[in-house]
Amino acid sequence: ETGVTQSPTHLIKTRGQQVTLRCSSQSGHNTVSWYQQALGQGPQFIFQYYREEENGRGNFPPRFSGLQFPNYSSELNVNALELDDSALYLCASSLDRANSPLHFGNGTRLTVT
Amino acid sequence: KNEVEQSPQNLTAQEGEFITINCSYSVGISALHWLQQHPGGGIVSLFMLSSGKKKHGRLIATINIQEKHSSLHITASHPRDSAVYICAVSLTDKLIFGTGTRLQVFP
Repeated sequence: ETGVTQSPTHLIKTRGQQVTLRCSSQSGHNTVSWYQQALGQGPQFIFQYYREEENGRGNFPPRFSGLQFPNYSSELNVNALELDDSALYLCASSLDRANSPLHFGNGTRLTVT
Repeated sequence: KNEVEQSPQNLTAQEGEFITINCSYSVGISALHWLQQHPGGGIVSLFMLSSGKKKHGRLIATINIQEKHSSLHITASHPRDSAVYICAVSLTDKLIFGTGTRLQVFP
């Protein structure tokens, strides 16, 4: 049990819609990062938040955005959904930005039709 | 060429065998993570290394910073070790993942 929870576990959306995925980090973990994992692929880094500010971003367009809140919860928002956004979205929390073990949630599986 | 390369991509073993999974990277890193992912998606962090060697139960991870190479070893493998093992490297502002090694251990 990592103490990181994600909701919802599964979600179906239509192309063009917007979606918000949620992550509740372990208490005291100042850093949260989000990842996209397409079927059969390895995870891809979307972005990282440290103390409520984005401090690193992978190769994802601006329609992927996030928020981190003082209560150790965070959100991933995706606008104008595309079919290729169908994937497992994982969040991970850690104490610090670079040299801390990662604690992953079980992910949200998003299907875009 | 990917910045993080893992080998092999797929690995089949008989229960009890010693297993090695390799990870090479081409960027400067602050740490390297070994992760385990079972079917269904959940990822568990096995090790975080910045130098030397770590051991946890039957698992051993080593890293050679000069050679930019890390290995994950599983001693006395068991069918419950069957999973995808992923190497990921931490940079200051992002994490880069390898493509994973799918391990199947048969009784």
